[in-house]
Amino acid sequence: QKEVEQNSGPLSVPEGAIASLNCTYSDRGSQSFFWYRQYSGKSPELIMFIYSNGDKEDGRFTAQLNKASQYVSLLIRDSQPSDSATYLCAVYRDDKIIFGKGTRLHILP
Amino acid sequence: NAGVTQTPKFRILKIGQSMTLQCTQDMNHNYMYWYRQDPGMGLKLIYYSVGAGITDKGEVPNGYNVSRSTTEDFPLRLELAAPSQTSVYFCASSYGAVILNTEAFFGQGTRLTVV
Repeated sequence: QKEVEQNSGPLSVPEGAIASLNCTYSDRGSQSFFWYRQYSGKSPELIMFIYSNGDKEDGRFTAQLNKASQYVSLLIRDSQPSDSATYLCAVYRDDKIIFGKGTRLHILP
Repeated sequence: NAGVTQTPKFRILKIGQSMTLQCTQDMNHNYMYWYRQDPGMGLKLIYYSVGAGITDKGEVPNGYNVSRSTTEDFPLRLELAAPSQTSVYFCASSYGAVILNTEAFFGQGTRLTVV
């Protein structure tokens, strides 16, 4: 079992709709959780981080964490073509930041 | 403010050659990381460091070495390059365990091809 698992996609979502990205992790010792966005040929950039159970909202983005189910999700409301990218889920534990394989998101105009 | 700087941006190596990928950060971060990213894949941790003089293996350390003599610099050494090391390499740094927002800040990447 991989430590951080994501559906690789592609996930196609109509413009203006809600995009839902999911991630599961295997180590219950994981302390912090991150969503990074990566455009093709570019470096990853942080979108959201969360470390407490529940929801965290920042503009059009909402991160959700359920430690009991070892599940992290990212919701993107009012999806825009500029949201088309690969979204990487990452966890911090034991001084390391471990990434999943990423989910490719395609926003359909 | 430069952040995390990697050099070179691109490099072609022949099989068996060696090289060092340079990484420096000016944010006074204690923690530094090296990742590789193969096409269509996520980032795999090669080595990491929690401070000067301290390094540890990540998920895929074979074929690589690192050193951390200063807080700012974390070079990655490839010995005896192999085609399997063709990848994009990212260096990152963070505050580490000091705060829970241990966000990693990334350099612009080095695209390495071994032929």
